[in-house]
Parts: sequence; C-alpha cells; structure tokens
Amino acid sequence: QKEVEQNSGPLSVPEGAIASLNCTYSDRVSQSFFWYRQYSGKSPELIMSIYSNGDKEDGRFTAQLNKASQYVSLLIRDSQPSDSATYLCAVNYNTNAGKSTFGDGTTLTVKP
Amino acid sequence: NAGVTQTPKFQVLKTGQSMTLQCAQDMNHNSMYWYRQDPGMGLRLIYYSASEGTTDKGEVPNGYNVSRLNKREFSLRLESAAPSQTSVYFCASNGLAGGPTQYFGPGTRLLVL
Repeated sequence: QKEVEQNSGPLSVPEGAIASLNCTYSDRVSQSFFWYRQYSGKSPELIMSIYSNGDKEDGRFTAQLNKASQYVSLLIRDSQPSDSATYLCAVNYNTNAGKSTFGDGTTLTVKP
Repeated sequence: NAGVTQTPKFQVLKTGQSMTLQCAQDMNHNSMYWYRQDPGMGLRLIYYSASEGTTDKGEVPNGYNVSRLNKREFSLRLESAAPSQTSVYFCASNGLAGGPTQYFGPGTRLLVL
C-alpha cells in the first residue's frame, strides 16, 4: 500500500463547477499536509498547506484535513480552465522541514 | 532571488555515459532533495540532504550518487546511465523560515538512448 494515495483520474469538470480532489495517507504521525499544482512540463508549486483538523480557505481553494480518518482534500470552487493541471498531495512528518511523501497526482481538466 | 536553479535543462546521453546534474538555491534552506518523475507518475525521492555535510538515500537511490557541496549546492551524478534513468529530474529545497514547503527547480529532462 502506498503511503499517500490520491483518487485516480483524470478528473474533468465544466467551467464554474466545484472540483474535489482527495488524498489518504497511511502514517498517523504525519503533521503537515500540502497540495501542489503542476502544469504540464513545469515544476510543482505549492497552492495550499494545512496543519490542523478542519478547513482552510484561500480564495477559490479550500483544503480539508481529518487526521482521525487520515484524509485530506482540496476543493476548487468556480473552476477555471487555468486550473487544468495535475494536483499532487504531499505529507510531512514535521512542521519545520524534512522530506515529504508525494502521491501520484490527480489530473484535472476544466472544460470551457 | 533566483530560488532553485538547475542545469542543464535538457540532456541526451548514451547508455554507459556519465553526467552530473547541478542544483543551487539562494533561499538559505538547510535541506535539499533530488526527485525523479516518470510520465504519469508522482515524485520519487532519490536522495536528500537534511543539512550541509549530510546525505541520505531516498526511495530510488540505485544508480545515483550525490554531493552536498555547500549549503547552496546539491549535485546528482549518474555514473553509468541506463535507459531506465530516462526521466525528469527535479531538485527542491526547504527549511528554516520556509518551513516544510518544498520549493522546486525547473527540472532537467534526461533522455538515455
């Protein structure tokens, strides 16, 4: 079993819809959680980080964390064609530094 | 600030050739990482350096060596390239004020014939 698993894609949503991306992790000691966006041919870039249970909102993006269920999700409201990318979930064992474990990614396509 | 830089951007090698991928960061980060990413796959950690003077194996270290030259620079060496090492290689760094967020370089596309 992989340490970080993401829902298999690809995921396709119409413009203006809500895109929901899910991620589960296996190690209960994980402390920090990240969503990176990767455009085709580019390097990953951070879009959201979350450290405590609950929701964290940043513009159209909401990250949700449930440590008891070992589950983290990313909601993208009012999806735009520019959101079309691969989204990588990552978990880290501490909140200061250290290496992260990445999922395989979910590719999102937003259709105009 | 340039962030994380990598050279070269693209390289073609023949089987058995050697090469070194260079990475440098100007964010005063302690930790640096080398990943490979194969088509449709996530990032797999090759080697990392938690701080200057230390290096550790990641998930897929076979066929690679690394050197943490100083706090800024972390190089990845392929001693005898194999077609299975065809991939995109990303360097990343984190630590100190940046916390655990990883900052990635633009990547090196390597083709081994």
